[in-house]
Amino acid sequence: KQEVTQIPAALSVPEGENLVLNCSFTDSAIYNLQWFRQDPGKGLTSLLLIQSSQREQTSGRLNASLDKSSGRSTLYIAASQPGDSATYLCAVTSLDQTGANNLFFGTGTRLTVIP
Amino acid sequence: NAGVTQTPKFRVLKTGQSMTLLCAQDMNHEYMYWYRQDPGMGLRLIHYSVGEGTTAKGEVPDGYNVSRLKKQNFLLGLESAAPSQTSVYFCATSNGYSYEQYFGPGTRLTVT
Repeated sequence: KQEVTQIPAALSVPEGENLVLNCSFTDSAIYNLQWFRQDPGKGLTSLLLIQSSQREQTSGRLNASLDKSSGRSTLYIAASQPGDSATYLCAVTSLDQTGANNLFFGTGTRLTVIP
Repeated sequence: NAGVTQTPKFRVLKTGQSMTLLCAQDMNHEYMYWYRQDPGMGLRLIHYSVGEGTTAKGEVPDGYNVSRLKKQNFLLGLESAAPSQTSVYFCATSNGYSYEQYFGPGTRLTVT
């Protein structure tokens, strides 16, 4: 069964700092990897989707990389802002126990950007 | 364009009561999903549907049933609620497993 781990569980940084969030997964046979943002009491917002054939994706100050062979992804946030404070979730699409493709989530990294 | 909506937003049930959660989408997506989110466990897939009239079990299906009678709606039912079903429930949609998933705002359910 696919297991997704995110380290650290929580991170506090001063405003303006660049930071990296980590995600690892146990089964490298994935179709894609998705990074989400979740604000307290809210749903998930998709940030970036990387297909298995891609190495990275960029959106504004966000850059996500994927190394499928080592089972790792990183989310790089440049010039962090207080508005970036949220929980960031990593999820991979791979086969579940029934042989269907589904999304497996990590437990997230809670980011606090201090003004 | 509402995207993905969920009703109700909050609900408190007593053990043994039943209820239905509704997910509605106006994105014309084929796939719909129900997840539950519990502290320290991440999101786990309950049931999903790859099209109107189809449903399939996810990782944690026990105690739940689903129906997809119309493409735009996906219903999650609890026939006899248990305290272990206290959770936040999220619906999501996509155009296939290789595409982005879009999430609703969630339903916070407490079973006492």
